[in-house]
Amino acid sequence: AQSVTQLGSHVSVSEGALVLLRCNYSSSVPPYLFWYVQYPNQGLQLLLKYTSAATLVKGINGFEAEFKKSETSFHLTKPSAHMSDAAEYFCAVMADDKIIFGKGTRLHILP
Amino acid sequence: NAGVMQNPRHLVRRRGQEARLRCSPMKGHSHVYWYRQLPEEGLKFMVYLQKENIIDESGMPKERFSAEFPKEGPSILRIQQVVRGDSAAYFCASSPRTGLNTEAFFGQGTRLTVV
Repeated sequence: AQSVTQLGSHVSVSEGALVLLRCNYSSSVPPYLFWYVQYPNQGLQLLLKYTSAATLVKGINGFEAEFKKSETSFHLTKPSAHMSDAAEYFCAVMADDKIIFGKGTRLHILP
Repeated sequence: NAGVMQNPRHLVRRRGQEARLRCSPMKGHSHVYWYRQLPEEGLKFMVYLQKENIIDESGMPKERFSAEFPKEGPSILRIQQVVRGDSAAYFCASSPRTGLNTEAFFGQGTRLTVV
């Protein structure tokens, strides 16, 4: 069965520092992977998606993620954190026509 | 084009009452998904519907929960005889089609509190 695991339920970075949110997947077939962001009391917004076209995927708000088959990873990065990036981030995989989510990582930005 | 609309945004029910959660998909979308979110648990898939059909209900509890997506009108998630453990945020998502290159758009959720 396809699944994703997010390492770290809470991550804190200083404003201006690199953001790295980790996600590993488990899939017996080439996976289709997503990162979503959820701001407080809001729904989920798609940041980016990997559909096998390119291993480095660029998304909105300066985020990007790299698909690494050898490491079964799809980590999310942003070179310089902004206060507005404080939110919860979900890695997800498409499995049998539905999206399966990880447990989420809450990103805290320190001034 | 309005996004996915869920109502109510907040719903309070006493134990034993029924909760009805509504989801109007984006215009032109015929696929609807329901998810439940508990703190520190992420989003758990509940059910996937197309117009008048339940495609996958593998995440639905066996009792008290049901979902429908009629030919006309919103999708409804119904929880009968609610219990405290049903308190959660319920999210609906819609997409125009199925398939691996399809994006699902999420509503803002209904936060159910059972007292």
